[in-house]
Amino acid sequence: EPEVTQTPSHQVTQMGQEVILRCVPISNHLYFYWYRQILGQKVEFLVSFYNNEISEKSEIFDDQFSVERPDGSNFTLKIRSTKLEDSAMYFCASTPQGANYGYTFGSGTRLTVV
Amino acid sequence: GESVGLHLPTLSVQEGDNSIINCAYSNSASDYFIWYKQESGKGPQFIIDIRSNMDKRQGQRVTVLLNKTVKHLSLQIAATQPGDSAVYFCAEKEPGGGADGLTFGKGTHLIIQP
Repeated sequence: EPEVTQTPSHQVTQMGQEVILRCVPISNHLYFYWYRQILGQKVEFLVSFYNNEISEKSEIFDDQFSVERPDGSNFTLKIRSTKLEDSAMYFCASTPQGANYGYTFGSGTRLTVV
Repeated sequence: GESVGLHLPTLSVQEGDNSIINCAYSNSASDYFIWYKQESGKGPQFIIDIRSNMDKRQGQRVTVLLNKTVKHLSLQIAATQPGDSAVYFCAEKEPGGGADGLTFGKGTHLIIQP
């Protein structure tokens, strides 16, 4: 069964450093998303991406965050200057036709900011 | 703002019994709902979805019921197995574009007792 692949599985970074989280969505999917889950809390929407541009973003997705699809397969989330409160699981997801058709999530990247 | 919430944070059932996980949503405009299962260290896994024009939908061993009058969603799992132990989230989506994000509930931890 096709999977959404995320790397790395765990990233530890110093506060103030930049991190890039990587995702390979399912190949024929058109919509891509990033979500995060702070330990013990809800999964929260960050951003959606379609047709090579951001479609929607939440209040969490401020100027410190950016997304990119640098080639035909990768989808990245960059955090420019990490803060302690950015520590969370970050999940990438993709869908073939948009959110009304369910998502396939990756296994996540655990980001720890120290 | 409006949010999705769960009644019970932890539900413990005997193996082989049926389980029911409940979810209350407060956004009456939501028209699409999904149940996800999340095992430790993994991303959310799609279980079943339902659109607002339906009251019930069945899958393999799972049934989702939607009561729009009281804004309530439930997930029934028949003949629970040890592999059903996980955290279960409901998620909702407002009408709109396919790129809109989902709003997740906090999760119910289902524990299957041998």
